Amino acid sequence: RKEVEQDPGPFNVPEGATVAFNCTYSNSASQSFFWYRQDCRKEPKLLMSVYSSGNEDGRFTAQLNRASQYISLLIRDSKLSDSATYLCVPRTGNQFYFGTGTSLTVIP
Amino acid sequence: SQTIHQWPATLVQPVGSPLSLECTVEGTSNPNLYWYRQAAGRGLQLLFYSVGIGQISSEVPQNLSASRPQDRQFILSSKKLLLSDSGFYLCAWSEGAGETQYFGPGTRLLVL
Repeated sequence: RKEVEQDPGPFNVPEGATVAFNCTYSNSASQSFFWYRQDCRKEPKLLMSVYSSGNEDGRFTAQLNRASQYISLLIRDSKLSDSATYLCVPRTGNQFYFGTGTSLTVIP
Repeated sequence: SQTIHQWPATLVQPVGSPLSLECTVEGTSNPNLYWYRQAAGRGLQLLFYSVGIGQISSEVPQNLSASRPQDRQFILSSKKLLLSDSGFYLCAWSEGAGETQYFGPGTRLLVL
């Protein structure tokens, strides 16, 4: 079983739309959770950490359900610049587990 | 503030040639260091990680090796490259438990 599973997409949405990504992780011992974004041919960059109570950063909202081992990311009012691959990343001990990512394209 | 450097940015090497990729981190002490590889259109594969000088954990048995000769230096090597070694090599660092991970700009390797 994969450590992290994500719907690869692609998600093609118009500007201004709301889009949600989901992710499940297999290791119940995972302690920390993150969302990264990766632009084409670039390194992944941290988008936000995910806290148990859920957290928001501007147009982005992350949720964690430890019982279901499920993480989500909601993007409101999508911008063209949001086009990227979004990676769900649980951390267990010293190791970070990267999903294959969900591809998002925001269309004018 | 912390920064992470990788070089070279791109590299084209013939099959059977050696490889040495270097990664250095500035602005932090005793970081955890990581090497990942990303094949075209694929996810990140953890190759090695290190929690201190001379301490290397290998995740995937292959013809690559890693060394950490100094606290903030991490080197990825190979004695003989294979075609399948082509990919995007990323170095990353993190601090203590619960802290996130930051990536260098990566090295794009093409083995011909």
